Amino acid sequence: EDQVTQSPEALRLQEGESSSLNCSYTVSGLRGLFWYRQDPGKGPEFLFTLYSAGEEKEKERLKATLTKKESFLHITAPKPEDSATYLCAVLTTSGGSYIPTFGRGTSLIVHP
Amino acid sequence: SAVISQKPSRDICQRGTSLTIQCQVDSQVTMMFWYRQQPGQSLTLIATANQGSEATYESGFVIDKFPISRPNLTFSTLTVSNMSPEDSSIYLCSVDFPGQETQYFGPGTRLLVL
Repeated sequence: EDQVTQSPEALRLQEGESSSLNCSYTVSGLRGLFWYRQDPGKGPEFLFTLYSAGEEKEKERLKATLTKKESFLHITAPKPEDSATYLCAVLTTSGGSYIPTFGRGTSLIVHP
Repeated sequence: SAVISQKPSRDICQRGTSLTIQCQVDSQVTMMFWYRQQPGQSLTLIATANQGSEATYESGFVIDKFPISRPNLTFSTLTVSNMSPEDSSIYLCSVDFPGQETQYFGPGTRLLVL
């Protein structure tokens, strides 16, 4: 069974304090790994898709990286507006499924 | 990507009643998805809705409880029937596009059942 585990569950940072969120996965074959940002009471907002180990993508203060077993979302010099829950999801090659498996998310709070 | 809207954005309902949630997309899409996100939990897929065919439900979800309509390529509805407090959740619709494997989500409908 495909599994996606995100850590930590919650993270508190001071403004400017860089850190990383982790998404580890156990799947039979990876087709894609997705990162989303979700603000309270809203739908997930797409951030990145990664397809192969070694791939990196950046957007403003966020950089996502991928290995064969996990992905990291690096947040450089975060600001309070980066506070949100960050979701990771994986899409696998098994059974021709097009449905991603989501992790539970990391709740990030950035204090001014 | 696409602009996806949902109605209502939130509602408070009495147990035993039903609520229909609408999802509208600004472009034609083949596949639309309905998810549930309970407090503190991740997203759980309820069903996949393709235009012109019956929705495909995931394990644990049945058509009598969550009937879905997909009358055209830009619109879908999810009904939560005979509601109980356990149905309190955020309901999300999403879409993907041919050649892309990324799903894009609507803003969600926050439902509270008393």
